[in-house]
Amino acid sequence: AQKVTQAQTEISVVEKEDVTLDCVYETRDTTYYLFWYKQPPSGELVFLIRRNSFDEQNEISGRYSWNFQKSTSSFNFTITASQVVDSAVYFCAIRRGGGSNYKLTFGKGTLLTVNP
Amino acid sequence: NAGVTQTPKFQVLKTGQSMTLQCAQDMNHEYMSWYRQDPGMGLRLIHYSVGAGITDQGEVPNGYNVSRSTTEDFPLRLLSAAPSQTSVYFCASSRTTSGKGDTQYFGPGTRLTVL
Repeated sequence: AQKVTQAQTEISVVEKEDVTLDCVYETRDTTYYLFWYKQPPSGELVFLIRRNSFDEQNEISGRYSWNFQKSTSSFNFTITASQVVDSAVYFCAIRRGGGSNYKLTFGKGTLLTVNP
Repeated sequence: NAGVTQTPKFQVLKTGQSMTLQCAQDMNHEYMSWYRQDPGMGLRLIHYSVGAGITDQGEVPNGYNVSRSTTEDFPLRLLSAAPSQTSVYFCASSRTTSGKGDTQYFGPGTRLTVL
């Protein structure tokens, strides 16, 4: 069975601070995919990134960056120079590679509040 | 593309009532699924489908039925609603081909309250 742990339940920062959201996963599969989704106060789930288990390159998209380390089973998410609009619940998720079950196993989420 | 759409957005039921949550996608995605989101629990998979006529159970299927008669639609049925089914329900869809195409995109959600 796969598992995702987001140990930080809530984080509060002041605008322009950098913040890192932690994600630790467990899986016995050699092929798997990792995801981050954002859930703003409006409630929808917004896809942010997909990473496969064979690609450990870090990725940067604007103020967002992701650090994938297989050695520590972590897929952490950093927001640089945070803004109020970044306030949301962020979910990390994992999916097995192959097969017909595309089930996403989610962590319980981290509530990020960015204060002006 | 409208993406993944869900109706209704909000619903209040009494215990024992039945209803169907609608989900539709216009992206010709083979894979569709239903999740429920409960406070402090993240999202949990209820049922999924890899194509028309094919469905299977997820992690928490009890009390829910699904069918997939077309590629576009994947309704979720509650036959006899219970207070434990009070939750926010999300429908998601994706392609089944490997690569970035299999990223799941979610609908806006349905907030269901069972009294």
